[in-house]
Amino acid sequence: DAKTTQPNSMESNEEEPVHLPCNHSTISGTDYIHWYRQLPSQGPEYVIHGLTSNVNNRMASLAIAEDRKSSTLILHRATLRDAAVYYCILRVLYNFNKFYFGSGTKLNVKP
Amino acid sequence: EAGVVQSPRYKIIEKKQPVAFWCNPISGHNTLYWYRQNLGQGPELLIRYENEEAVDDSQLPKDRFSAERLKGVDSTLKIQPAELGDSAVYLCASSPDREGEQFFGPGTRLTVL
Repeated sequence: DAKTTQPNSMESNEEEPVHLPCNHSTISGTDYIHWYRQLPSQGPEYVIHGLTSNVNNRMASLAIAEDRKSSTLILHRATLRDAAVYYCILRVLYNFNKFYFGSGTKLNVKP
Repeated sequence: EAGVVQSPRYKIIEKKQPVAFWCNPISGHNTLYWYRQNLGQGPELLIRYENEEAVDDSQLPKDRFSAERLKGVDSTLKIQPAELGDSAVYLCASSPDREGEQFFGPGTRLTVL
């Protein structure tokens, strides 16, 4: 039961903004939206998370649709080090805060 | 601060052999997770511990997989006997509590021949 859907891959130019979309139409009111990224041969690392309101941190911004059925991770200025697989995840409160990973979007950043 | 430590990083075995993976979480983190990641897919939870108690092992294939977290610190995941389909990356993660950010180790890449 896939809870999130993401494009398989996206491409961006260095120094330009990147918008990574995610659909989660079956989200419930208590589910948090998390984003992690995974560099080659490494474990996933935290990027950002939110519930209803848009969120900003030093790495990225998270824009959550008003109906919460979709969200967008925004990298304001992509660098070569941002090339990774980005996972959109639902943390399901009723199921012990379990993380449901999607298949991820592989981001390629061109110099 | 040291991150999550896993060993070995790589393991190649023949089918039907046993294998074990070890994880040392970040100091003070009560919650520990084992995930399996198949090629081209996101991680899937196998088991979660809160201290030494396994609170979610619904996805752990119990006929061949076992795990333990003695004293609520480091943990071992075992497969016996291994099958070809067990080839994957096994990730360990820890968090301060069940709601906190998860910190992942680098994983163990298992190849079953």
